[in-house]
Amino acid sequence: NAGVTQTPKFQVLKTGQSMTLQCAQDMNHNSMYWYRQDPGMGLRLIYYSASEGTTDKGEVPNGYNVSRLNKREFSLRLESAAPSQTSVYFCAHGYRRNEKLFFGSGTQLSVL
Amino acid sequence: GDSVTQMEGPVTLSEEAFLTINCTYTATGYPSLFWYVQYPGEGLQLLLKATKADDKGSNKGFEATYRKETTSFHLEKGSVQVSDSAVYFCALSGMRNTDKLIFGTGTRLQVFP
Repeated sequence: NAGVTQTPKFQVLKTGQSMTLQCAQDMNHNSMYWYRQDPGMGLRLIYYSASEGTTDKGEVPNGYNVSRLNKREFSLRLESAAPSQTSVYFCAHGYRRNEKLFFGSGTQLSVL
Repeated sequence: GDSVTQMEGPVTLSEEAFLTINCTYTATGYPSLFWYVQYPGEGLQLLLKATKADDKGSNKGFEATYRKETTSFHLEKGSVQVSDSAVYFCALSGMRNTDKLIFGTGTRLQVFP
């Protein structure tokens, strides 16, 4: 499982609802990431955390918040879901930038 | 800013055919370059990487050479199998920010028996 647990696997929300995607890794890596994957757009970085206690915006942070709860866990929150946030979300983690990233199996989110 | 451009797919091949998926990049300095693969229903996995010019990354019969003069990192395989059907992503690790990977849009490969 690439050392990462990502939940839930599927979720359907109504516009305006909130939810939190959970991610936990067991490889003691410093860096954790949230990406979204959309057809024709590839993967786009939402937020990342280079170490416990720090977070930074990626390419598409609007409408999202994150929390690096500890070294293992990095959650992504949608406060008020919009149809444009319908996507597949991937959590990833790694040790250094030029080392490989380990990806979770994804969360398929639909916002109606 | 840094970016990666991949050929659009899908690429459709018969088993045992030769594969090339083109990837070019724009970056300041000397980025590290990667190919990731995504099998259906799964997350991405690192396939191979190269960290400096003229390096060749290889894994599972796939190869890619870091060409600084042409800013390219094309993926090749001499004889594809049905099990290679997946989406392939080229990526770079930029020099300006040491904690982010920048991905291309992905190329879907379909291999038929």
